[in-house]
Amino acid sequence: SQQGEEDPQALSIQEGENATMNCSYKTSINNLQWYRQNSGRGLVHLILIRSNEREKHSGRLRVTLDTSKKSSSLLITASRAADTASYFCATDERSGGSNYKLTFGKGTLLTVNP
Amino acid sequence: DTGVSQDPRHKITKRGQNVTFRCDPISEHNRLYWYRQTLGQGPEFLTYFQNEAQLEKSRLLSDRFSAERPKGSFSTLEIQRTEQGDSAMYLCASSLGFVVGRGTGELFFGEGSRLTVL
Repeated sequence: SQQGEEDPQALSIQEGENATMNCSYKTSINNLQWYRQNSGRGLVHLILIRSNEREKHSGRLRVTLDTSKKSSSLLITASRAADTASYFCATDERSGGSNYKLTFGKGTLLTVNP
Repeated sequence: DTGVSQDPRHKITKRGQNVTFRCDPISEHNRLYWYRQTLGQGPEFLTYFQNEAQLEKSRLLSDRFSAERPKGSFSTLEIQRTEQGDSAMYLCASSLGFVVGRGTGELFFGEGSRLTVL
């Protein structure tokens, strides 16, 4: 089963614009992570935010987390054509005691047009 | 260290044949994961090892699937009597887990092994 659900499923923007992707999840979490995947390749970790954090920055990335709404957002500022990829949120579920399994959403396909 | 490596990258087989995938994790990582990903979907958890111990196996896995991690190093994922529904990308990842000053819980993925069952 998939814990997280990203929204939108697909997003197409022009280079230089900002891209915002959202993720909703169902159960309490220890942390939430965002990953990127280029077509046909493996996933690459982007950023991790812990359940007691509300916002985190890394370069052009900004992640927010609202545990009361069980949702997170990933903002990519000043997008580039090279940002074209699928983006996945992944949650590390708190309930049940397991803190080692990440459950991924279905992803958002971002296309940045030059 | 060059990261997580998987072999083969691509495998085409006929229905009913057995296939085996190998994963070499980052050497200091004690955690190893297998995920399966089909087109347009996110990775689905299959199984997890801590060192050589297989600690969890998804209910998605039928008895035709088996995974091993002898001596806590490389891992193999074998699929017996393959079916067309097994066609997918099989992803391996490794992790240190949460270790103060060293591990942050992020997964390091290989490039995947794509299986096509005809």
